[in-house]
Amino acid sequence: SQQGEEDPQALSIQEGENATMNCSYKTSINNLQWYRQNSGRGLVHLILIRSNEREKHSGRLRVTLDTSKKSSSLLITASRAADTASYFCATDPYDYKLSFGAGTTVTVRA
Amino acid sequence: DVKVTQSSRYLVKRTGEKVFLECVQDMDHENMFWYRQDPGLGLRLIYFSYDVKMKEKGDIPEGYSVSREKKERFSLILESASTNQTSMYLCASRRSYEQYFGPGTRLTVT
Repeated sequence: SQQGEEDPQALSIQEGENATMNCSYKTSINNLQWYRQNSGRGLVHLILIRSNEREKHSGRLRVTLDTSKKSSSLLITASRAADTASYFCATDPYDYKLSFGAGTTVTVRA
Repeated sequence: DVKVTQSSRYLVKRTGEKVFLECVQDMDHENMFWYRQDPGLGLRLIYFSYDVKMKEKGDIPEGYSVSREKKERFSLILESASTNQTSMYLCASRRSYEQYFGPGTRLTVT
């Protein structure tokens, strides 16, 4: 069942700016993951944060997790045209079956 | 390099036809998944398989069946295609917690 909900649904930013998107979920999780999907293609795993972690970095990506608020955020710093994509959060509720949100569509303008 | 392939990128079928969507992974993963993706709804799990010949229903299994005779191959079957099954179908396999996706099959049922 769908658990994660991303906000905003769409985001348009200038190249070089930062992009922030949020994810809220409803039940306890083992971990939360973020994926990227380029137009009409499959999803690519970006980063995983475990339920006992609060923040994680990977290159220009920064993910936070607040289990008390059941929310996560993904920050992309110094955005590039190649970051134009849809971003999905996925929650893993201890049974390996990920629940995906509807995604945030990010457009990076040159 | 991890690879998940799907038999077709685009497929057009008629109502009532039997449709086979094939997925192959070369990573020796035990778990494989089939999702459908519709605008505004994100990814919804149709079926998953945790080993050869083992399968479990996901959130929306109605109208679908699956087959997993070999570890590397997971097939999704639409017994009698209907127009409401027009969608993007994504296959994934799982290592540890993260999932690896194929490029997707965009199926149109007319």
